[in-house]
Amino acid sequence: QITLKESGPTLVKPTQTLTLTCTFAGFSLTSGVGVGWIRQPPGKALEWLALIYWNDDKRYSPSLQSRLTITKDTSKNQVVLTMTNMNPMDTATYYCAHPIRTGFDYWGQGTLVTVSS
Amino acid sequence: DIQMTQSPPSVSASVGDRVTITCRASQDIGGWLVWYQQKPGTAPKLLIHDASILQSGVPSRFSGSGSGTDFTLAITSLQPDDFATYYCQQAHNFPFTFGPGTKVDIK
Repeated sequence: QITLKESGPTLVKPTQTLTLTCTFAGFSLTSGVGVGWIRQPPGKALEWLALIYWNDDKRYSPSLQSRLTITKDTSKNQVVLTMTNMNPMDTATYYCAHPIRTGFDYWGQGTLVTVSS
Repeated sequence: DIQMTQSPPSVSASVGDRVTITCRASQDIGGWLVWYQQKPGTAPKLLIHDASILQSGVPSRFSGSGSGTDFTLAITSLQPDDFATYYCQQAHNFPFTFGPGTKVDIK
Protein backbone atom coordinates (compact mmCIF):
# COMPACT_ATOMS: atom_id res chain seq x y z
CA GLN A 1 0.00 0.00 0.00
CA ILE A 2 1.39 3.36 -1.03
CA THR A 3 1.32 6.17 1.51
CA LEU A 4 2.91 9.61 1.56
CA LYS A 5 3.10 12.19 4.30
CA GLU A 6 4.35 15.75 4.25
CA SER A 7 6.15 17.34 7.18
CA GLY A 8 7.65 20.73 7.85
CA PRO A 9 6.93 24.08 9.43
CA THR A 10 3.41 25.44 9.51
CA LEU A 11 4.57 29.05 9.74
CA VAL A 12 7.48 30.76 8.02
CA LYS A 13 8.47 34.40 7.87
CA PRO A 14 8.82 36.35 4.64
CA THR A 15 12.24 35.89 2.99
CA GLN A 16 12.86 32.64 4.86
CA THR A 17 13.49 29.30 3.20
CA LEU A 18 10.86 26.58 3.45
CA THR A 19 11.95 22.97 3.74
CA LEU A 20 9.32 20.27 3.35
CA THR A 21 9.87 16.55 3.63
CA CYS A 22 7.77 13.86 2.00
CA THR A 23 8.12 10.48 3.70
CA PHE A 24 6.65 7.64 1.71
CA ALA A 25 6.06 3.91 1.93
CA GLY A 26 4.93 1.19 -0.41
CA PHE A 27 7.33 1.97 -3.21
CA SER A 28 11.02 2.67 -3.69
CA LEU A 29 12.76 5.45 -5.53
CA THR A 30 15.39 3.02 -6.73
CA SER A 31 13.48 2.04 -9.84
CA GLY A 32 10.94 3.44 -12.19
CA VAL A 33 8.98 5.86 -10.08
CA GLY A 34 9.14 9.38 -8.71
CA VAL A 35 7.60 11.87 -6.29
CA GLY A 36 5.97 15.17 -7.14
CA TRP A 37 4.99 18.29 -5.21
CA ILE A 38 1.80 20.26 -5.78
CA ARG A 39 0.43 23.20 -3.82
CA GLN A 40 -2.96 24.84 -3.37
CA PRO A 41 -3.48 28.33 -1.96
CA PRO A 42 -6.58 28.62 0.22
CA GLY A 43 -9.69 28.55 -1.94
CA LYS A 44 -7.69 28.36 -5.16
CA ALA A 45 -6.66 25.80 -7.75
CA LEU A 46 -3.86 23.26 -7.69
CA GLU A 47 -0.38 24.23 -8.91
CA TRP A 48 2.30 21.71 -9.86
CA LEU A 49 5.72 22.60 -8.43
CA ALA A 50 8.31 19.91 -9.03
CA LEU A 51 8.96 16.24 -9.66
CA ILE A 52 11.95 13.99 -9.08
CA TYR A 53 12.37 10.62 -10.73
CA TRP A 54 14.14 7.49 -9.55
CA ASN A 55 17.09 8.27 -11.83
CA ASP A 56 17.46 11.75 -10.26
CA ASP A 57 15.89 13.48 -13.24
CA LYS A 58 14.33 16.67 -11.82
CA ARG A 59 11.62 18.89 -13.28
CA TYR A 60 10.47 22.24 -11.98
CA SER A 61 7.73 24.75 -12.59
CA PRO A 62 9.45 27.40 -14.74
CA SER A 63 7.80 30.22 -12.81
CA LEU A 64 9.31 28.96 -9.54
CA GLN A 65 12.42 27.17 -10.74
CA SER A 66 14.84 29.76 -9.41
CA ARG A 67 13.46 29.25 -5.90
CA LEU A 68 12.91 25.48 -5.82
CA THR A 69 15.17 22.53 -5.16
CA ILE A 70 13.99 18.92 -5.00
CA THR A 71 16.16 16.11 -3.70
CA LYS A 72 15.72 12.50 -2.68
CA ASP A 73 17.12 10.26 0.03
CA THR A 74 16.50 6.76 -1.21
CA SER A 75 17.70 5.11 1.98
CA LYS A 76 15.17 7.04 4.07
CA ASN A 77 12.32 6.91 1.51
CA GLN A 78 12.14 10.69 1.59
CA VAL A 79 11.94 13.53 -0.89
CA VAL A 80 12.74 17.06 0.21
CA LEU A 81 11.50 20.27 -1.39
CA THR A 82 13.09 23.59 -0.53
CA MET A 83 11.65 26.94 -1.56
CA THR A 84 13.66 30.08 -0.96
CA ASN A 85 12.57 33.66 -0.37
CA MET A 86 9.09 32.79 0.84
CA ASN A 87 6.42 35.48 0.62
CA PRO A 88 2.75 35.65 1.66
CA MET A 89 1.66 34.56 -1.83
CA ASP A 90 3.29 31.19 -1.08
CA THR A 91 0.77 30.49 1.67
CA ALA A 92 -0.79 27.21 0.61
CA THR A 93 -1.36 23.57 1.37
CA TYR A 94 1.60 21.66 0.01
CA TYR A 95 1.08 18.08 -1.17
CA CYS A 96 3.48 15.39 -2.23
CA ALA A 97 2.19 12.70 -4.57
CA HIS A 98 3.14 9.52 -6.41
CA PRO A 99 3.11 9.96 -10.19
CA ILE A 100 1.78 7.59 -12.78
CA ARG A 101 2.07 8.05 -16.53
CA THR A 102 -0.52 10.79 -16.74
CA GLY A 103 -1.16 12.04 -13.25
CA PHE A 104 -0.80 11.38 -9.55
CA ASP A 105 -2.55 8.39 -8.05
CA TYR A 106 -1.58 8.64 -4.40
CA TRP A 107 -1.37 11.90 -2.45
CA GLY A 108 -0.26 12.86 1.01
CA GLN A 109 -2.72 14.56 3.34
CA GLY A 110 -1.11 17.92 2.68
CA THR A 111 0.47 20.43 5.02
CA LEU A 112 -0.66 24.04 5.32
CA VAL A 113 2.20 26.50 5.27
CA THR A 114 1.46 30.10 6.22
CA VAL A 115 3.88 32.87 5.36
CA SER A 116 3.56 35.76 7.77
CA SER A 117 5.73 37.97 9.90
CA ASP B 1 3.11 26.36 -20.72
CA ILE B 2 -0.08 24.56 -21.72
CA GLN B 3 -3.11 26.40 -20.39
CA MET B 4 -6.08 24.40 -19.15
CA THR B 5 -9.57 25.80 -18.95
CA GLN B 6 -12.70 24.24 -17.51
CA SER B 7 -16.37 24.95 -17.94
CA PRO B 8 -18.58 25.65 -16.22
CA PRO B 9 -16.80 27.10 -13.17
CA SER B 10 -19.65 25.76 -11.07
CA VAL B 11 -22.80 23.74 -11.51
CA SER B 12 -25.76 23.20 -9.24
CA ALA B 13 -27.34 19.81 -9.59
CA SER B 14 -29.61 17.38 -7.83
CA VAL B 15 -29.07 13.79 -6.79
CA GLY B 16 -29.74 11.62 -9.82
CA ASP B 17 -28.81 14.27 -12.37
CA ARG B 18 -26.26 13.81 -15.14
CA VAL B 19 -23.41 16.32 -14.99
CA THR B 20 -20.81 17.01 -17.64
CA ILE B 21 -17.67 19.09 -17.18
CA THR B 22 -15.49 20.24 -20.06
CA CYS B 23 -11.74 20.74 -20.02
CA ARG B 24 -9.86 22.39 -22.85
CA ALA B 25 -6.11 22.49 -23.45
CA SER B 26 -4.38 25.35 -25.23
CA GLN B 27 -2.60 22.87 -27.47
CA ASP B 28 -2.85 19.22 -28.49
CA ILE B 29 -2.12 16.97 -25.52
CA GLY B 30 -3.23 13.70 -27.08
CA GLY B 31 -4.71 11.62 -24.27
CA TRP B 32 -2.40 12.90 -21.57
CA LEU B 33 -5.17 14.10 -19.29
CA VAL B 34 -6.42 13.18 -15.85
CA TRP B 35 -9.41 14.14 -13.75
CA TYR B 36 -9.42 14.56 -9.97
CA GLN B 37 -12.15 15.00 -7.40
CA GLN B 38 -11.43 17.11 -4.33
CA LYS B 39 -13.55 17.61 -1.25
CA PRO B 40 -12.89 20.43 1.23
CA GLY B 41 -9.91 19.82 3.48
CA THR B 42 -8.79 16.69 1.66
CA ALA B 43 -6.26 15.81 -1.02
CA PRO B 44 -7.38 15.34 -4.61
CA LYS B 45 -8.49 11.88 -5.61
CA LEU B 46 -7.61 10.47 -9.02
CA LEU B 47 -10.74 9.55 -10.96
CA ILE B 48 -9.74 9.15 -14.60
CA HIS B 49 -6.32 8.82 -16.21
CA ASP B 50 -5.22 8.74 -19.85
CA ALA B 51 -8.36 10.76 -20.59
CA SER B 52 -10.77 7.84 -20.35
CA ILE B 53 -9.43 5.09 -18.08
CA LEU B 54 -11.29 4.75 -14.83
CA GLN B 55 -8.98 4.53 -11.83
CA SER B 56 -9.37 1.35 -9.81
CA GLY B 57 -12.15 1.65 -7.23
CA VAL B 58 -13.86 4.63 -8.84
CA PRO B 59 -17.58 4.10 -9.48
CA SER B 60 -18.61 3.45 -13.06
CA ARG B 61 -20.96 6.45 -13.04
CA PHE B 62 -17.80 8.49 -13.76
CA SER B 63 -16.50 8.50 -17.31
CA GLY B 64 -14.00 10.49 -19.31
CA SER B 65 -13.71 11.14 -23.00
CA GLY B 66 -11.86 13.26 -25.50
CA SER B 67 -8.45 13.68 -27.02
CA GLY B 68 -6.34 16.44 -28.46
CA THR B 69 -7.62 19.64 -26.91
CA ASP B 70 -11.16 18.90 -25.75
CA PHE B 71 -12.10 16.58 -22.92
CA THR B 72 -15.20 15.77 -20.92
CA LEU B 73 -15.89 14.29 -17.51
CA ALA B 74 -19.39 12.89 -17.14
CA ILE B 75 -21.11 11.84 -13.95
CA THR B 76 -24.31 9.90 -14.50
CA SER B 77 -26.85 9.70 -11.71
CA LEU B 78 -25.13 12.12 -9.33
CA GLN B 79 -24.80 10.80 -5.79
CA PRO B 80 -24.50 12.76 -2.50
CA ASP B 81 -20.82 11.76 -2.29
CA ASP B 82 -20.13 13.40 -5.66
CA PHE B 83 -20.61 17.00 -4.52
CA ALA B 84 -17.06 18.27 -4.77
CA THR B 85 -14.67 20.25 -6.95
CA TYR B 86 -13.28 18.58 -10.07
CA TYR B 87 -9.94 19.40 -11.68
CA CYS B 88 -8.36 18.34 -14.95
CA GLN B 89 -4.59 18.16 -15.38
CA GLN B 90 -2.40 17.68 -18.42
CA ALA B 91 0.74 15.57 -18.33
CA HIS B 92 1.76 15.95 -21.97
CA ASN B 93 4.45 18.52 -21.27
CA PHE B 94 6.28 19.94 -18.31
CA PRO B 95 5.21 21.96 -16.47
CA PHE B 96 2.17 19.89 -15.66
CA THR B 97 -0.80 22.23 -15.44
CA PHE B 98 -4.21 22.03 -13.82
CA GLY B 99 -7.52 23.52 -14.79
CA PRO B 100 -9.14 26.09 -12.49
CA GLY B 101 -11.69 23.57 -11.20
CA THR B 102 -15.43 23.04 -11.45
CA LYS B 103 -17.47 23.01 -8.27
CA VAL B 104 -20.48 20.71 -8.23
CA ASP B 105 -22.89 21.69 -5.50
CA ILE B 106 -26.37 20.82 -4.44
CA LYS B 107 -29.25 22.59 -6.14
